[in-house]
Amino acid sequence: DGGITQSPKYLFRKEGQNVTLSCEQNLNHDAMYWYRQDPGQGLRLIYYSQIVNDFQKGDIAEGYSVSREKKESFPLTVTSAQKNPTAFYLCASSIRLTSGRRGETQYFGPGTRLLVL
Amino acid sequence: EDQVTQSPEALRLQEGESSSLNCSYTVSGLRGLFWYRQDPGKGPEFLFTLYSAGEEKEKERLKATLTKKESFLHITAPKPEDSATYLCAVQARTGTASKLTFGTGTRLQVTL
Repeated sequence: DGGITQSPKYLFRKEGQNVTLSCEQNLNHDAMYWYRQDPGQGLRLIYYSQIVNDFQKGDIAEGYSVSREKKESFPLTVTSAQKNPTAFYLCASSIRLTSGRRGETQYFGPGTRLLVL
Repeated sequence: EDQVTQSPEALRLQEGESSSLNCSYTVSGLRGLFWYRQDPGKGPEFLFTLYSAGEEKEKERLKATLTKKESFLHITAPKPEDSATYLCAVQARTGTASKLTFGTGTRLQVTL
């Protein structure tokens, strides 16, 4: 079955620690995204990547880092610089957006809940 | 700045009681408007994409419509399994082209 997997389902971070969230997709999508979801707020874009070895900051990139070495994988690192990391993190993927075309549907993974110890 | 406002925040229906959820938006050129369903603790599940005013899409008990300023998600004769949070998002033609701007969602509860 094609889809997006995220691991772990729950992650606990100690103060000063960097943690990495995994996102893998087998949909053959070029574009991948990371969103953060907080209670009472809409999903907010952290980083996105339209192609391997390239990624762009979203609206709330401070305290986060990403890499895109393989088409299937887009890991997110929550660094110690992120002072309020407790949230539900969602990874998504889509066909690559091209100029002048209609919007492309983004498909989401099951999410990782990050909690601070 | 692109904005999405969903109403109501929460809606409680009895099984079989039809209703509509509203998504009002302002965007600098619409690439697409997206509806998702999200169950507690899960990732959003894609429902519909609408691209231009006048467009409609249906799936089982759900029907989505689009005007130049808002979208409606109509739920006909809902069942308890339709209980979830319904999210609306828009994608603009300018700015960060890949970005989806989300509303805060409508929490729907359908009771027997």
